[in-house]
Amino acid sequence: EPEVTQTPSHQVTQMGQEVILRCVPISNHLYFYWYRQILGQKVEFLVSFYNNEISEKSEIFDDQFSVERPDGSNFTLKIRSTKLEDSAMYFCASNRQKNADTQYFGPGTRLTVL
Amino acid sequence: AQKITQTQPGMFVQEKEAVTLDCTYDTSDPSYGLFWYKQPSSGEMIFLIYQGSYDQQNATEGRYSLNFQKARKSANLVISASQLGDSAMYFCAMREIQGTYKYIFGTGTRLKVLA
Repeated sequence: EPEVTQTPSHQVTQMGQEVILRCVPISNHLYFYWYRQILGQKVEFLVSFYNNEISEKSEIFDDQFSVERPDGSNFTLKIRSTKLEDSAMYFCASNRQKNADTQYFGPGTRLTVL
Repeated sequence: AQKITQTQPGMFVQEKEAVTLDCTYDTSDPSYGLFWYKQPSSGEMIFLIYQGSYDQQNATEGRYSLNFQKARKSANLVISASQLGDSAMYFCAMREIQGTYKYIFGTGTRLKVLA
C-alpha cells in the first residue's frame, strides 16, 4: 500500500540554523500539507500546497518557514533560522483530491532545536 | 470557527473491555468530515475511522466504531475488546470544507489498556 514517507525521522539542530524537512507524498496525490505537534500538545495546521503554490497558511507559518516541491516527488518544509520553540514533531500529509475523505500522514520528523 | 473538543485527557480500560473516547465538535458548515487517529509512543499518526456528516449509518472499522450523534455534535470513538496494543494517544479531527480542507485536531485522549 502506498504511503507518505518523511526524512529524517529525527533532526537535531542548533538555534539559528536552517533545517529542511523532506516528505515524499503518495505519487498520485495533488494536495500537500504540513502540520506541527509540539510535545504533549495537539496537532496544528501549518500550510497547504497545491499546484506549486501555497493554498493556505496558518499564523504559525511566518516568514521563517517556506515550502517547496522541487521535483515531481519531494515536498519540503524549510525553517530558515530555527528557534527553540520550533522543537516539535512535523507531519507531512497528502490528499488525492481536495475533498478526499482521508489525508494520509507520514511518520513525522522530530525536530529538536538546542 | 470550527472547533474540536476532547474532554478526557486520560482514560484507563481493562483488557478485553470496551471503551468510549469522547469528541464533540462545533461547526456551522452543513458538510464536514470527522476522523479519528491513533498516535502510539513512536509518534506516527494512524488513521482509524471516518464519518461523513451526511452518512446515515455510524462508521465501523473492525473493533472501532464511531458513535455519531449529529444533533449533539458528538463523534465518540468506541473501541471494543481492548488490547494492550491499543494503548496510545487518540485524536479526533474535523476536516474543513472551506479553504483547503485542512484538518482541525482536538487535544487528544491518552488511553492506557491494563492487563
